[in-house]
Amino acid sequence: EAEVAQSPRYKITEKSQAVAFWCDPISGHATLYWYRQILGQGPELLVQFQDESVVDDSQLPKDRFSAERLKGVDSTLKIQPAELGDSAMYLCASSPWTSVDTQYFGPGTRLTVL
Amino acid sequence: GQQVMQIPQYQHVQEGEDFTTYCNSSTTLSNIQWYKQRPGGHPVFLIQLVKSGEVKKQKRLTFQFGEAKKNSSLHITATQTTDVGTYFCAGRGSEKLVFGKGTKLTVNP
Repeated sequence: EAEVAQSPRYKITEKSQAVAFWCDPISGHATLYWYRQILGQGPELLVQFQDESVVDDSQLPKDRFSAERLKGVDSTLKIQPAELGDSAMYLCASSPWTSVDTQYFGPGTRLTVL
Repeated sequence: GQQVMQIPQYQHVQEGEDFTTYCNSSTTLSNIQWYKQRPGGHPVFLIQLVKSGEVKKQKRLTFQFGEAKKNSSLHITATQTTDVGTYFCAGRGSEKLVFGKGTKLTVNP
């Protein structure tokens, strides 16, 4: 069964450093999402891509976060500089064009900022 | 803005007991999705409901979408230890897909 791939699975960094996360969606899925999930909370959408275009980045803290999906396949989420409050699980999800709200999540990247 | 509330936040049951979680939206939804997240895992898609009053079943799980399309429920009959985890609803309003905060289910064997 096809799965969403994410790396790294865990990342520990010091505040003010730069971090980057990578996501490879299920093959053929045009829609890709990045979520942030704080322990005990539901996923919070950061950015949504349709192919290589940003559909929604209204909740993305653009002063420090950036996301790209240059060829409309895999995607990178970057944080620079990282802050203590960025410690969370960063989840990537993808969905087929036939049902954009049916999302398949990757295993996530657990970020700890010291 | 659109809000999706889930209750209860936590539920502890004895194995074999039933469990229900409720999802309520401040606005009318075009659809609602349910996900399960095991401890230490990631959300896994369970089902999507689209039609007013829709009821869908998956083995011991029953999902309902309210007539007004503003609420939904997930009912598990005769819980098992494999049901432990956090159950999230995610509803699509006029603009956004919003996740609830989830209901964490623990099952005592």
